[in-house]
Amino acid sequence: LAKTTQPVSMDSYEGQEVNITCSHNNIATNDYITWYQQFPSQGPRFIIQGYKTKVTNEVASLFIPADRKSSTLSLPRVSLSDTAVYYCLVGPYTGGFKTIFGAGTRLFVKA
Amino acid sequence: EAQVTQNPRYLITVTGKKLTVTCSQNMNHEYMSWYRQDPGLGLRQIYYSMNVEATDKGDVPEGYKVSRKEKRNFPLILESPSPNQTSLYFCASRRGGSDTQYFGPGTRLTVL
Repeated sequence: LAKTTQPVSMDSYEGQEVNITCSHNNIATNDYITWYQQFPSQGPRFIIQGYKTKVTNEVASLFIPADRKSSTLSLPRVSLSDTAVYYCLVGPYTGGFKTIFGAGTRLFVKA
Repeated sequence: EAQVTQNPRYLITVTGKKLTVTCSQNMNHEYMSWYRQDPGLGLRQIYYSMNVEATDKGDVPEGYKVSRKEKRNFPLILESPSPNQTSLYFCASRRGGSDTQYFGPGTRLTVL
């Protein structure tokens, strides 16, 4: 499984766009990139997943450059309720279930 | 409602007293997994299961056992708990062919 590196923490203000970058230099050809959000004392929740280029859903966008060695989660116009820990995971779509979460990025949104 | 349930949600016990944390999912998912979460360490995988009677070790399996006798249930067993197993535990499941995991609400375990 590819190791991921993310910033430990980030601060933002309400209404701003937040971009969290994840580095995964050893990503394999069949690996997908998945982001989860976790609030205190709750289980992580799926946000978005992608393989290449750009993916957008109602919550976020995921930008993946051509070499796929990094990815950026973009949260448009954050609110106080987006304060959470965000995890980037890299792994195959099928096969086993071995998972490495890493320490994640703690995002703190201020009023 | 599709969900993963865990019981108990909170447990305080003493060193050496065997305990079981149950996990159940109603989504007919093939894969299930247990994680522990400690401050500053993120989530670490303990064990996972690919289907009934198929389990494998994650990154931190020492001191834990699991079983998968039915597709919906994946209990976590601590035969002789120790204080270093005090943690927040999460169960998760996912469908085969998908990378999206669904997590339970967590079990906060304290071993004195």
